[in-house]
Amino acid sequence: IQMTQSPSSQSAFVGDRVTITCRASQGINSFLAWYQQKPGKVPKLLIHGASTLQSGVPSRFSGGGSGTDYTLTISSLQPEDVATYYCQKYDSAPLTFGGGTTVEIK
Amino acid sequence: EVQLLESGGGLVQPGGSLRLSCEVSGFGFSDYDMSWVRQAPGEGLEWVSGISSTGGRTDYADSVQGRFTISRDNSKSTLFLQMSLLRAEDTAIYYCAKATQPRRFLDSLDYWGQGTPVTVSS
Repeated sequence: IQMTQSPSSQSAFVGDRVTITCRASQGINSFLAWYQQKPGKVPKLLIHGASTLQSGVPSRFSGGGSGTDYTLTISSLQPEDVATYYCQKYDSAPLTFGGGTTVEIK
Repeated sequence: EVQLLESGGGLVQPGGSLRLSCEVSGFGFSDYDMSWVRQAPGEGLEWVSGISSTGGRTDYADSVQGRFTISRDNSKSTLFLQMSLLRAEDTAIYYCAKATQPRRFLDSLDYWGQGTPVTVSS
């Protein structure tokens, strides 16, 4: 199963709503996680089960979708959200990651 | 506090071998499945291998199948990755990571180590 993220990069103003899409080549039954990786840092789990917010993650992050199509939304972009975001499917091995989406501030 | 500490990375020649270790603390290691994930310089994340909480089930990415072996010692709270027949394309930072839920093979990964770098070059 291939995981395709779009866009590969996105630039937005502070306060903007940002949406990242992840598409699986086959249905993955919401076994979908989102990670944030800031430059030079370790990946951090944001969302699992497609829409369950990991403890401690700000509520401006949300996840949705089902079947093959999933989204990560940042409701109001903050400067500390500058990072690369990855989706990952975990319904079966291999636990494939998407190619990543780099989010920057305009 | 959950901690994962990788070690064993370094410079190795093509065709060589290396054994990575990941010592964990702060959670019941024997209750959780574990994974290795790597990141080549300037590239994205690639899941390498996973192992169940008992060690009875393992899985590998096609790119490392037959060359890498994942294992664990629950008595020492340590995860291992034996890498052999190394290639230049195996050059990456290798992270160990913990499954989010106990006894759930193939899960999201909620805690990650700082990573250990592996460079394959002559």
